[in-house]
Amino acid sequence: SQKIEQNSEALNIQEGKTATLTCNYTNYSPAYLQWYRQDPGRGPVFLLLIRENEKEKRKERLKVTFDTTLKQSLFHITASQPADSATYLCALDNNNNDMRFGAGTRLTVKP
Amino acid sequence: DSGVTQTPKHLITATGQRVTLRCSPRSGDLSVYWYQQSLDQGLQFLIHYYNGEERAKGNILERFSAQQFPDLHSELNLSSLELGDSALYFCASSVGPWDNEQFFGPGTRLTVL
Repeated sequence: SQKIEQNSEALNIQEGKTATLTCNYTNYSPAYLQWYRQDPGRGPVFLLLIRENEKEKRKERLKVTFDTTLKQSLFHITASQPADSATYLCALDNNNNDMRFGAGTRLTVKP
Repeated sequence: DSGVTQTPKHLITATGQRVTLRCSPRSGDLSVYWYQQSLDQGLQFLIHYYNGEERAKGNILERFSAQQFPDLHSELNLSSLELGDSALYFCASSVGPWDNEQFFGPGTRLTVL
């Protein structure tokens, strides 16, 4: 069956460190993968999209990698700040015009 | 503010009832997606419409139906409500039928008593 797994339910790091979140998938052949941020009680907010032929993408302090051989995406936040504390969701499309989301990783950045 | 609006913000109803949730996409977006998010299930894709036509169906129950109107707004109808339908319902929109970032609305919190 198809699965999207995000490495851990919760991740706690110290301010200034790099947070690394993992998204693994099975039985999908996604054309692209997206990362979203969600704050409690609010809708997800788009962060980055990476296509299957791209290895890496960056946006300010964010970096995402996509390894279709390992079936894995890594999401990095460098120089993390308490304001980065949120739940981060990976999502992928299977070329079926729908998007499937992982359960998310709740990141807490401590001052 | 994503530009996607959803009404109502909160809805409290009883089991067996029927409700309608409404979504207006961002100006210029032709795709509308509906998602259900409950504490134990995460964000579940329900259905996707593009320019008035259904494009994809996810884990949508037969008691649920949706449509997208010519002005591109969308409605999600939930009937014969059960306690387990209590959740946050999000609508999202995007420019094209796929391969686009999605902009999420603020959600409708449905409580079934």
